[in-house]
Amino acid sequence: KAGVTQTPRYLIKTRGQQVTLSCSPISGHRSVSWYQQTPGQGLQFLFEYFSETQRNKGNFPGRFSGRQFSNSRSEMNVSTLELGDSALYLCASSLNTGSEKLFFGSGTQLSVL
Amino acid sequence: GESVGLHLPTLSVQEGDNSIINCAYSNSASDYFIWYKQESGKGPQFIIDIRSNMDKRQGQRVTVLLNKTVKHLSLQIAATQPGDSAVYFCAEYTGGFKTIFGAGTRLFVKA
Repeated sequence: KAGVTQTPRYLIKTRGQQVTLSCSPISGHRSVSWYQQTPGQGLQFLFEYFSETQRNKGNFPGRFSGRQFSNSRSEMNVSTLELGDSALYLCASSLNTGSEKLFFGSGTQLSVL
Repeated sequence: GESVGLHLPTLSVQEGDNSIINCAYSNSASDYFIWYKQESGKGPQFIIDIRSNMDKRQGQRVTVLLNKTVKHLSLQIAATQPGDSAVYFCAEYTGGFKTIFGAGTRLFVKA
């Protein structure tokens, strides 16, 4: 069974641009969560989706958004990029509720110049 | 506020020794706790979990202890190996489809 797949693996953008990251969960997993990982802040929860519905959102500005498709694949978008958005963005999937163990992808490393 | 913290940012142990990584949590309503291991260039990987109705759970070379009285969680790794070198995160499910992660402890294993 294939694991969680995130694309692209690396991204370099400049301030003010926007970016879209993609995540394909493990087959059969319907819950997708996104996290931002930085050396200073650790793993910060961005949002969680299930059946195309956002069920929870972390404390991030509205520039951070996401969506989930009917096949459970998910995307997150960051608009008007800032230098502080440079981070590793991790996607995790779980079977259903989010109260189960999470399976993580390898992440997308975003650098904002 | 919600937080899951770690007592030590780094831990260095001799190969073959036992490792103990500690974690404090603040939400007494949390009912599910997980330890993850993250190696360089990879996402966190599940190691072991424990529900709040238990105080100890054992896996292969790993044991998690939960002390709800003082809101403390620990991960014990027996006979630590070089392959155990990684960053370890405790995580806490607080409900609302959200898992909160601690800051992480980097484990160094000396040969």
